[in-house]
Amino acid sequence: SQQGEEDPQALSIQEGENATMNCSYKTSINNLQWYRQNSGRGLVHLILIRSNEREKHSGRLRVTLDTSKKSSSLLITASRAADTASYFCATDEGMGAQKLVFGQGTRLTINP
Amino acid sequence: DTGVSQDPRHKITKRGQNVTFRCDPISEHNRLYWYRQTLGQGPEFLTYFQNEAQLEKSRLLSDRFSAERPKGSFSTLEIQRTEQGDSAMYLCASSLAPLQGAGELFFGEGSRLTVL
Repeated sequence: SQQGEEDPQALSIQEGENATMNCSYKTSINNLQWYRQNSGRGLVHLILIRSNEREKHSGRLRVTLDTSKKSSSLLITASRAADTASYFCATDEGMGAQKLVFGQGTRLTINP
Repeated sequence: DTGVSQDPRHKITKRGQNVTFRCDPISEHNRLYWYRQTLGQGPEFLTYFQNEAQLEKSRLLSDRFSAERPKGSFSTLEIQRTEQGDSAMYLCASSLAPLQGAGELFFGEGSRLTVL
């Protein structure tokens, strides 16, 4: 079963623009994570935000978390062609959960 | 530390045959996960181990699927009597168990299965 839903499913922007992806989930969580996947490859962890955090930064990435709305957003600033990939949010479904449940992803295309 | 490795990277088989995938996790990681991913979808949880113990299996996992982690190191995922619907990318990931919840997962490059 899918816990998270990403929005939009696909996003195409020009190099240099900012890209924003959203994720909604259903249950309480310990943390929410974002992963990136290049076509045909494994997933790479980008950032983890805990349920008691509201915002986190890592380089050009900014993640927000609103537990009251059960939603998160990932912002990539000053996008580059190399950012072209699929981006997934994943949550652990709260107390005692030890596995991640992934959303269906946002496919991001950066046009040079 | 060479990361998570999976073998084979690609497997083409005929319907009804058995296939086995191997995953070698990062050596100090005590958790190992198997996921399945089809085109355009997110990874779908199959099962996970903490050390050698299999702690959870997805209800979607039919009895044709079996996974082992005999010494708490590498793991194998076997699919018996393959069906065309089993065609997918099989992803392995490992992690260090945090105090709470699921930690950061380190994924292998996946094993792509095509059932003809």
